Amino acid sequence: EIVLTQSPATLSLSPGERATLSCGASQSVSSNYLAWYQQKPGLAPRLLIYDVSSRATGIPDRFSGSGSGTDFTLTISRLEPEDSAVYYCQQYASSPRTFGQGTKVEIK
Amino acid sequence: EVRLVQSGAEVKKPGESLKISCKGSGYSFTNYWIAWVRQMPGKGLEWMGIIYPGDSDTRYSPSFQGQVTISVDKSINTAYLQWSSLKASDTSIYYCAKNAMAGSSWQPSDYWGQGTLVTVSS
Repeated sequence: EIVLTQSPATLSLSPGERATLSCGASQSVSSNYLAWYQQKPGLAPRLLIYDVSSRATGIPDRFSGSGSGTDFTLTISRLEPEDSAVYYCQQYASSPRTFGQGTKVEIK
Repeated sequence: EVRLVQSGAEVKKPGESLKISCKGSGYSFTNYWIAWVRQMPGKGLEWMGIIYPGDSDTRYSPSFQGQVTISVDKSINTAYLQWSSLKASDTSIYYCAKNAMAGSSWQPSDYWGQGTLVTVSS
């Protein structure tokens, strides 16, 4: 099983700042099969990024993904108040698919 | 419009059985794998397993194998998650989610149900 470790656990930033979220894998994620989801309180997760760097439909271009192998990053270039949420990475390259434990982004 | 609509919240006692549902619409239901994901209170997401409605091919996470059963009735575009004997530790929100591309199980989930809260308490 691929274990995904996200850091930091919590990120507290001001509107307009850049947020950098990390996701490390215990073994290489093949085919770049890594996604990022956003979850706001009381709501289902929403797909933001798939295949490491492709934005899902309707996702603003301030969200971007990068990385390969075992190290991946989600960057929010200019934080908006509505970006306050928990962000999860997920690998879908091997079974079982696994999620990271999440990074909470707080907007000051 | 793609929609996954899940059944309502449930309150059960330990040892009881339960089957919750997830009805898909707005897309070709039989061609997209559907996953189930658990979220325990205040915790993260856990992938439970996945089913292909076209032929009921099912894969489970080892953590959930033997603990739950995933099934589908393609005649009514509905996937199910069931327990034969609930435990207090099954108290969680359960989400269904469809894969982004037809045919492949190796995909992210692009549409999610609204979640079903299951509470197990004596």
